[in-house]
Amino acid sequence: QKEVEQDPGPLSVPEGAIVSLNCTYSNSAFQYFMWYRQYSRKGPELLMYTYSSGNKEDGRFTAQVDKSSKYISLFIRDSQPSDSATYLCAMREDSNYQLIWGAGTKLIIKP
Amino acid sequence: GAGVSQSPRYKVAKRGQDVALRCDPISGHVSLFWYQQALGQGPEFLTYFQNEAQLDKSGLPSDRFFAERPEGSVSTLKIQRTQQEDSAVYLCASSLVRSQKEQFFGPGTRLTVL
Repeated sequence: QKEVEQDPGPLSVPEGAIVSLNCTYSNSAFQYFMWYRQYSRKGPELLMYTYSSGNKEDGRFTAQVDKSSKYISLFIRDSQPSDSATYLCAMREDSNYQLIWGAGTKLIIKP
Repeated sequence: GAGVSQSPRYKVAKRGQDVALRCDPISGHVSLFWYQQALGQGPEFLTYFQNEAQLDKSGLPSDRFFAERPEGSVSTLKIQRTQQEDSAVYLCASSLVRSQKEQFFGPGTRLTVL
Protein backbone atom coordinates (compact mmCIF):
# COMPACT_ATOMS: atom_id res chain seq x y z
CA GLN A 1 0.00 0.00 0.00
CA LYS A 2 1.32 3.41 -0.95
CA GLU A 3 1.89 6.08 1.69
CA VAL A 4 -0.33 8.50 -0.24
CA GLU A 5 -3.38 7.37 -2.19
CA GLN A 6 -5.08 9.48 -4.83
CA ASP A 7 -7.75 8.49 -7.35
CA PRO A 8 -6.22 8.95 -10.84
CA GLY A 9 -9.56 9.82 -12.47
CA PRO A 10 -10.18 11.20 -14.98
CA LEU A 11 -12.77 13.40 -13.31
CA SER A 12 -14.93 15.22 -15.85
CA VAL A 13 -17.29 18.02 -14.75
CA PRO A 14 -19.14 20.84 -16.51
CA GLU A 15 -17.84 24.40 -16.37
CA GLY A 16 -19.00 26.24 -13.26
CA ALA A 17 -19.25 23.10 -11.10
CA ILE A 18 -17.61 22.70 -7.71
CA VAL A 19 -14.77 20.18 -7.88
CA SER A 20 -13.61 18.06 -4.97
CA LEU A 21 -10.22 16.34 -5.11
CA ASN A 22 -8.94 14.12 -2.32
CA CYS A 23 -5.98 12.21 -0.96
CA THR A 24 -5.60 9.80 1.91
CA TYR A 25 -2.35 8.99 3.65
CA SER A 26 -1.00 6.57 6.21
CA ASN A 27 1.91 8.42 7.87
CA SER A 28 0.64 10.32 10.91
CA ALA A 29 3.93 12.27 11.03
CA PHE A 30 3.06 14.26 7.89
CA GLN A 31 2.66 17.92 8.80
CA TYR A 32 3.01 19.83 5.52
CA PHE A 33 0.36 19.31 2.86
CA MET A 34 0.51 20.71 -0.65
CA TRP A 35 -1.56 20.68 -3.79
CA TYR A 36 0.25 21.04 -7.09
CA ARG A 37 -1.24 21.54 -10.54
CA GLN A 38 0.47 20.01 -13.55
CA TYR A 39 -0.45 20.86 -17.10
CA SER A 40 0.46 18.46 -19.88
CA ARG A 41 4.19 18.45 -20.63
CA LYS A 42 4.90 20.95 -17.84
CA GLY A 43 6.35 20.67 -14.36
CA PRO A 44 4.13 20.82 -11.26
CA GLU A 45 3.32 24.26 -9.82
CA LEU A 46 2.31 24.87 -6.22
CA LEU A 47 -1.35 25.81 -5.73
CA MET A 48 -2.02 25.51 -2.02
CA TYR A 49 0.04 24.82 1.06
CA THR A 50 -1.22 23.95 4.54
CA TYR A 51 0.60 23.22 7.75
CA SER A 52 -1.07 20.73 10.09
CA SER A 53 -4.88 20.65 10.23
CA GLY A 54 -7.44 23.18 9.11
CA ASN A 55 -8.68 25.03 6.09
CA LYS A 56 -7.02 27.50 3.78
CA GLU A 57 -8.71 29.55 1.09
CA ASP A 58 -7.18 31.32 -1.89
CA GLY A 59 -9.60 32.73 -4.44
CA ARG A 60 -11.57 29.86 -5.96
CA PHE A 61 -9.44 27.24 -4.20
CA THR A 62 -9.91 25.82 -0.70
CA ALA A 63 -7.62 23.24 0.88
CA GLN A 64 -8.73 21.17 3.87
CA VAL A 65 -6.68 18.88 6.09
CA ASP A 66 -8.24 16.39 8.51
CA LYS A 67 -5.33 14.77 10.34
CA SER A 68 -7.60 12.61 12.49
CA SER A 69 -8.89 10.90 9.35
CA LYS A 70 -5.61 11.26 7.43
CA TYR A 71 -7.55 12.88 4.61
CA ILE A 72 -6.93 16.05 2.62
CA SER A 73 -9.12 17.80 0.08
CA LEU A 74 -8.91 20.51 -2.53
CA PHE A 75 -12.09 22.27 -3.60
CA ILE A 76 -12.34 24.36 -6.75
CA ARG A 77 -15.33 26.68 -7.06
CA ASP A 78 -16.70 28.02 -10.33
CA SER A 79 -14.47 25.67 -12.29
CA GLN A 80 -13.11 26.90 -15.61
CA PRO A 81 -11.83 24.99 -18.67
CA SER A 82 -8.38 26.42 -17.86
CA ASP A 83 -8.49 24.41 -14.61
CA SER A 84 -8.21 21.23 -16.69
CA ALA A 85 -4.96 19.64 -15.55
CA THR A 86 -3.60 16.92 -13.28
CA TYR A 87 -3.77 17.78 -9.58
CA LEU A 88 -1.16 16.19 -7.35
CA CYS A 89 -1.15 16.12 -3.58
CA ALA A 90 2.19 16.05 -1.80
CA MET A 91 3.12 15.94 1.85
CA ARG A 92 6.11 15.72 4.14
CA GLU A 93 7.15 15.39 7.74
CA ASP A 94 8.26 18.35 9.83
CA SER A 95 11.92 17.42 9.81
CA ASN A 96 12.14 15.85 6.37
CA TYR A 97 12.38 17.80 3.13
CA GLN A 98 11.38 14.81 1.02
CA LEU A 99 7.96 15.21 -0.52
CA ILE A 100 5.76 12.12 -0.81
CA TRP A 101 3.37 12.43 -3.73
CA GLY A 102 0.03 11.05 -4.76
CA ALA A 103 -0.36 9.70 -8.28
CA GLY A 104 -2.38 12.74 -9.39
CA THR A 105 -6.00 13.15 -10.47
CA LYS A 106 -6.68 14.19 -14.05
CA LEU A 107 -9.41 16.85 -14.07
CA ILE A 108 -11.36 17.80 -17.19
CA ILE A 109 -13.66 20.83 -17.16
CA LYS A 110 -16.08 20.73 -20.07
CA PRO A 111 -17.15 24.10 -21.55
CA GLY B 1 12.08 36.28 -14.50
CA ALA B 2 13.71 33.02 -15.51
CA GLY B 3 12.39 29.88 -13.95
CA VAL B 4 13.96 26.46 -13.77
CA SER B 5 15.02 25.24 -17.19
CA GLN B 6 15.89 21.73 -18.31
CA SER B 7 17.48 20.36 -21.42
CA PRO B 8 16.93 18.50 -23.56
CA ARG B 9 13.14 18.50 -23.32
CA TYR B 10 12.97 15.15 -25.07
CA LYS B 11 15.58 12.43 -25.35
CA VAL B 12 15.36 9.11 -27.15
CA ALA B 13 18.10 6.63 -26.34
CA LYS B 14 18.82 3.11 -27.42
CA ARG B 15 19.10 0.61 -24.62
CA GLY B 16 22.63 0.60 -23.30
CA GLN B 17 23.40 4.23 -24.21
CA ASP B 18 24.50 6.79 -21.66
CA VAL B 19 22.48 10.00 -21.30
CA ALA B 20 23.02 13.32 -19.53
CA LEU B 21 20.17 15.56 -18.46
CA ARG B 22 20.78 19.18 -17.52
CA CYS B 23 19.04 21.42 -15.01
CA ASP B 24 19.48 25.19 -14.64
CA PRO B 25 17.88 26.22 -11.33
CA ILE B 26 16.64 29.66 -10.43
CA SER B 27 19.61 31.90 -9.76
CA GLY B 28 20.50 32.00 -6.08
CA HIS B 29 18.55 28.89 -5.14
CA VAL B 30 20.56 26.80 -2.72
CA SER B 31 18.54 23.60 -2.86
CA LEU B 32 18.13 21.44 -5.93
CA PHE B 33 16.08 18.26 -6.25
CA TRP B 34 15.79 15.62 -8.97
CA TYR B 35 12.62 13.56 -9.36
CA GLN B 36 11.54 10.75 -11.67
CA GLN B 37 7.92 10.77 -12.83
CA ALA B 38 6.61 7.65 -14.53
CA LEU B 39 3.53 7.91 -16.75
CA GLY B 40 0.40 8.40 -14.66
CA GLN B 41 2.33 8.62 -11.41
CA GLY B 42 3.48 11.32 -9.06
CA PRO B 43 7.13 12.35 -8.91
CA GLU B 44 9.51 10.10 -7.00
CA PHE B 45 12.47 11.66 -5.18
CA LEU B 46 15.88 10.81 -6.60
CA THR B 47 18.46 13.08 -5.01
CA TYR B 48 19.02 16.41 -3.25
CA PHE B 49 21.81 19.00 -3.38
CA GLN B 50 22.54 21.87 -1.07
CA ASN B 51 24.85 24.09 -3.08
CA GLU B 52 27.45 21.71 -4.53
CA ALA B 53 27.03 19.06 -1.84
CA GLN B 54 24.91 16.03 -2.62
CA LEU B 55 23.32 15.47 0.77
CA ASP B 56 20.86 12.75 -0.12
CA LYS B 57 20.96 10.22 -2.94
CA SER B 58 18.73 7.66 -1.31
CA GLY B 59 16.21 7.73 -4.16
CA LEU B 60 18.61 6.87 -6.98
CA PRO B 61 17.33 3.50 -8.25
CA SER B 62 20.70 1.98 -9.10
CA ASP B 63 24.40 2.74 -9.40
CA ARG B 64 23.77 3.53 -13.09
CA PHE B 65 22.33 6.86 -11.92
CA PHE B 66 24.71 9.64 -11.02
CA ALA B 67 24.10 13.34 -10.33
CA GLU B 68 26.43 16.26 -9.83
CA ARG B 69 26.30 20.00 -9.20
CA PRO B 70 29.97 20.95 -9.19
CA GLU B 71 29.67 24.74 -8.84
CA GLY B 72 26.46 24.85 -6.88
CA SER B 73 24.27 26.01 -9.75
CA VAL B 74 23.75 23.85 -12.86
CA SER B 75 23.17 20.18 -12.18
CA THR B 76 23.49 17.14 -14.42
CA LEU B 77 21.78 13.79 -13.98
CA LYS B 78 23.60 11.04 -15.80
CA ILE B 79 22.20 7.60 -16.52
CA GLN B 80 24.63 4.96 -17.73
CA ARG B 81 23.68 1.91 -19.79
CA THR B 82 20.05 2.98 -20.03
CA GLN B 83 17.32 0.36 -19.66
CA GLN B 84 13.70 0.47 -20.82
CA GLU B 85 12.51 0.89 -17.25
CA ASP B 86 14.40 4.20 -17.11
CA SER B 87 11.83 5.70 -19.50
CA ALA B 88 10.14 8.51 -17.57
CA VAL B 89 10.03 12.27 -17.17
CA TYR B 90 12.91 13.58 -15.10
CA LEU B 91 12.00 16.71 -13.17
CA CYS B 92 14.34 19.16 -11.54
CA ALA B 93 13.19 21.53 -8.80
CA SER B 94 14.95 24.26 -6.86
CA SER B 95 14.18 26.23 -3.74
CA LEU B 96 15.83 29.11 -1.97
CA VAL B 97 16.49 27.04 1.13
CA ARG B 98 15.86 23.42 2.03
CA SER B 99 12.93 24.09 4.32
CA GLN B 100 11.21 26.49 1.97
CA LYS B 101 7.65 25.40 1.41
CA GLU B 102 7.73 25.81 -2.35
CA GLN B 103 9.90 23.92 -4.77
CA PHE B 104 9.92 25.44 -8.26
CA PHE B 105 9.85 22.84 -10.98
CA GLY B 106 11.29 22.81 -14.45
CA PRO B 107 9.31 21.41 -17.42
CA GLY B 108 11.13 18.08 -17.23
CA THR B 109 13.04 15.93 -19.68
CA ARG B 110 11.05 13.10 -21.21
CA LEU B 111 13.40 10.14 -21.66
CA THR B 112 12.37 7.26 -23.88
CA VAL B 113 14.62 4.20 -23.99
CA LEU B 114 14.03 1.92 -26.95
